[in-house]
Amino acid sequence: TQLLEQSPQFLSIQEGENLTVYCNSSSVFSSLQWYRQEPGEGPVLLVTVVTGGEVKKLKRLTFQFGDARKDSSLHITAAQPGDTGLYLCAGAETGGFKTIFGAGTRLFVKA
Amino acid sequence: GAVVSQHPSRVICKSGTSVKIECRSLDFQATTMFWYRQFPKQSLMLMATSNEGSKATYEQGVEKDKFLINHASLTLSTLTVTSAHPEDSSFYICSAREDRGDEQFFGPGTRLTVL
Repeated sequence: TQLLEQSPQFLSIQEGENLTVYCNSSSVFSSLQWYRQEPGEGPVLLVTVVTGGEVKKLKRLTFQFGDARKDSSLHITAAQPGDTGLYLCAGAETGGFKTIFGAGTRLFVKA
Repeated sequence: GAVVSQHPSRVICKSGTSVKIECRSLDFQATTMFWYRQFPKQSLMLMATSNEGSKATYEQGVEKDKFLINHASLTLSTLTVTSAHPEDSSFYICSAREDRGDEQFFGPGTRLTVL
């Protein structure tokens, strides 16, 4: 069974600061997704990365997939209070049908 | 595209009653749907994987007789919590995956409160 370690688990920062969330595994994933969830709602897909070394940008969010497709990072530039939420990474098993979720990073951005 | 609905969004029931939650993929066909449970301030806990036309695969520790899953069509899966008890109170979320993709698209969740 593949494991996906996500860090940090909790992050409280001031508006305007930058932050990076990491997801790491010892196993290779065919793709990796990042989701954001707000309280009382379901997770919303932000991005999917597929190719090793791939970098995708979504406004102030930058997602990177490791060269070996074992790890990924999410970098937020100049965080805003609206970025507050639970960020989840999820890796799709190679050759399988299961998706492995990280434990989540709870981000709180103070105004 | 890739919208998943879930109904009801919130339900309060008495202990001992059964509650059915529906999960629908609105604009795509989902061979596979997933049911998760989420406790406050925690990540998602996969309960079971639902495949259209076949029996669901339950994760270890999840009672299949208590959490009945039916995936009768490519756009609908249902989760029935039978003889609900207060400890079953939680946020239940479904997701659906297209045939040729890795991404899961989540429903908005159902808040179950058992009195």
